[in-house]
This record gives sequence, C-alpha cells and structure tokens, in this order.
Amino acid sequence: ETGVTQTPRHLVMGMTNKKSLKCEQHLGHNAMYWYKQSAKKPLELMFVYSLEERVENNSVPSRFSPECPNSSHLFLHLHTLQPEDSALYLCASSQEPAGGSGANVLTFGAGSRLTVL
Amino acid sequence: AQSVSQHNHHVILSEAASLELGCNYSYGGTVNLFWYVQYPGQHLQLLLKYFSGDPLVKGIKGFEAEFIKSKFSFNLRKPSVQWSDTAEYFCAVFGRGSARQLTFGSGTQLTVLP
Repeated sequence: ETGVTQTPRHLVMGMTNKKSLKCEQHLGHNAMYWYKQSAKKPLELMFVYSLEERVENNSVPSRFSPECPNSSHLFLHLHTLQPEDSALYLCASSQEPAGGSGANVLTFGAGSRLTVL
Repeated sequence: AQSVSQHNHHVILSEAASLELGCNYSYGGTVNLFWYVQYPGQHLQLLLKYFSGDPLVKGIKGFEAEFIKSKFSFNLRKPSVQWSDTAEYFCAVFGRGSARQLTFGSGTQLTVLP
C-alpha cells in the first residue's frame, strides 16, 4: 500500500451507466490528481486539486466530472462513457509547498481499470 | 507547452547487461525531473528525482540518471540489470513557472531475460 487507495480496482460499465471512482489518501497531502493511462500513450493529466484550486486539462470530455470534498478524498464521476474511455485511471497525491514552487513528487494509487462496453 | 520524449518503447536485455534509457524534454525554463517505475501488477513509484545541484542523481536499486541541461536530457542508467528490473519506466518533467503540470513520457518497457 502506498497511502493512496483507489476503489474499485476494476469496473465494467455500459455506455449509459453512471458510476464513480473513489480515491482516498492517508498521507496528509494537499494536492490530488486524476491521470488516465492508456496503452502506448503518455500518462494524461485529467484534473488537479491543489491548494484548494482546481486545474483541469481542457481536452477532458465533460462526461468525466471530478469532485474533491476535502483534501483527503477525490472522486471521478463517469457518465455516458465511450469505449475509447477504457483505460487505467490513476489517482495520485502530493504535498505542494506554499507559494507553489511545485516539488511535485507524486504518490500513486494502484489504479482503477475501467472497461466500457 | 512542455513535452517529454522517450525514444525506446521496448528494450530487451540479458541479465548483467548495462542499461541506458533516453529521455528528452522540451521546456526552456527551470525543471524538476523524475523517473517513475511500474513493476508488473504494481503501482507507479518514484525511482529518482532531480531538483537542483549535482546533475548526476542516484535512486533506488542501483539506478542513476544524469541531467544534461544543454541537451535537455535526463537519461536513466544502470550498470548491470537484473531480471527483477523488468518493468515500465516513465520519465516526467515539471516545468517551474509553467502551468505547474507534471508531464510524462509514453514509457519504456524493459524486459530483462534471465
């Protein structure tokens, strides 16, 4: 265990389903991230919640909706996904220093493997 | 925008061979540089990092990397690989003063044959 826990580990859903991925970090970090990992592609940053600020990758479709109720929990709500959204979704956390100089050593969870039928 | 290139998608070596994995980035400012490793069935974990100072950094399990600023490179090396080094290796760059985003390369799959 890394201190970042993701559930579920595996999820199969139809294109009309609504589901959510959950991430919890026990490290006292102040920033949390969602990454998408697809085969043969670079990890794609989807969303960042850092120092209470949300930063998002503008190329992420609106069928992905993040929620960060507090500094320890992060959700990714999924709605009407497409088969090409099948991937490993990684949550990560880090401790951002004040002033945002960005040490940015990430601690990753094990990921949620999503299959969209 | 910053980008990271890992030129080798798959490297196959025999045990005891030397390893060098290439990583080049594009960003003109100050950077933090990282190598992450993902062993089969495991989570991504930090192998080593460079923030400042000595451009030759040492990480876990005998790995090291050298930051060459003039070449925008941060190559990963190990003098003698082991079967247990079989994994996928990711280079990542954080451009300070940029969008404060950690950008990953596409990864290099290393297979070490016993």
